[in-house]
Amino acid sequence: DSGVTQTPKHLITATGQRVTLRCSPRSGDLSVYWYQQSLDQGLQFLIQYYNGEERAKGNILERFSAQQFPDLHSELNLSSLELGDSALYFCASSPTGSGRRYEQYFGPGTRLTVT
Amino acid sequence: GESVGLHLPTLSVQEGDNSIINCAYSNSASDYFIWYKQESGKGPQFIIDIRSNMDKRQGQRVTVLLNKTVKHLSLQIAATQPGDSAVYFCAEKKSNYGQNFVFGPGTRLSVLP
Repeated sequence: DSGVTQTPKHLITATGQRVTLRCSPRSGDLSVYWYQQSLDQGLQFLIQYYNGEERAKGNILERFSAQQFPDLHSELNLSSLELGDSALYFCASSPTGSGRRYEQYFGPGTRLTVT
Repeated sequence: GESVGLHLPTLSVQEGDNSIINCAYSNSASDYFIWYKQESGKGPQFIIDIRSNMDKRQGQRVTVLLNKTVKHLSLQIAATQPGDSAVYFCAEKKSNYGQNFVFGPGTRLSVLP
């Protein structure tokens, strides 16, 4: 158990819909990252937040957005869903401190199926 | 473009043997690398990391080697056990601001009894 929690575990929805994925980082971790893992694209970095502010952006579509709240939990919003958005979505968090800030602890993931 | 890749998509080893998983990277400016292990149905798990100012780092039963000359990274697992069966990813830190990591496609390691 990494200490990172994600909900829901599974999500099935239809094309065109909007969903919200939730992540709670490990206690004390200020950074949260979102990744998408699909069979054909592998593990793709989407976005990082640090203490409520966006820190880095990867291959995140404009239909997707994220935020980190004052209690440090984060939400990833996916809208106008397409079949190709079906994937595992992982959240990770990392500890604060110069010696360990690159160690990312991943949650169990949310499996999104778009039908 | 920049990419992180693997030489072998699958690797089968006998229990007790040593395993070597390879990774090639293309961004010579990358300064930090991580190996992750992902078991079926779980998220990636941090195994070991190495900074670009090092060429070797050892952990418990694992060693990471970095050859900057040929931009090659490897993960060595000693005395491979059935619990080592998983997909292994290398990841390369792409920028100095934030933690934008590029992950390789992964290598599946199967440990044979």
